[in-house]
Amino acid sequence: QSALTQPASVSGSPGQSITISCTGTSSDVGSYNLVSWYQQHPGKAPKLMIYEGSKRPSGVSNRFSGSKSGNTASLRISGLQAEDEAEYHCCSYAGSSTWVFGGGTKLTVL
Amino acid sequence: EVQLVQSGAEVKKPGQSLRISCKGSGYSFTSYSISWVRQMPGKGLEWMGRIDPTDSYTDYSPSFQGHVTISTDRSISTAYLQWSSLKASDTAMYYCARLVAAANTDYFDYWGLGTLVTVSS
Repeated sequence: QSALTQPASVSGSPGQSITISCTGTSSDVGSYNLVSWYQQHPGKAPKLMIYEGSKRPSGVSNRFSGSKSGNTASLRISGLQAEDEAEYHCCSYAGSSTWVFGGGTKLTVL
Repeated sequence: EVQLVQSGAEVKKPGQSLRISCKGSGYSFTSYSISWVRQMPGKGLEWMGRIDPTDSYTDYSPSFQGHVTISTDRSISTAYLQWSSLKASDTAMYYCARLVAAANTDYFDYWGLGTLVTVSS
């Protein structure tokens, strides 16, 4: 059970859009529509942003969207704002009641 | 309001034992599993395992199986993560998270603030 693969860092200017990828295998991301995304500001606990690949919890901005193609899930943030600067983690169900996270991606808003 | 309140930071020596806790409130504790997630300094999140408070059934990541023990005390709505012999490599922040798991859905919707465990001689 290997960690999902995320880019170490991405960056964008205010108002722009960015996409963070999360690549797994046919045993996790590819087999289930159960990818979730978490935002983590420095020194804070993770916060759920996307679940079931593309659904937003109540209170999460519609600037955040999720999708999946094959073994790769993606998180898109449109209209970047300064407060979006954080670490983003993807997570997938991996079968047999186990879950696997990605290595995390640091988003810098320039 | 749903809350997961974790125990305070710990400083231990290698070889010592430790149990940290996560107390749930604001919801029916037995209706949701609790997972533990490790975050080593400057690293990503790692799923360690989970416990169903209804029957104390546990699942562990292969990476953590045999190294930690997850337990629960339903009477006080509390889940625990335990080590019998700590190593320096156990130094990390540990989060508990509520797992929403049902047919065709699962995610971690509420998280504790974390417990920092430092293991140093």
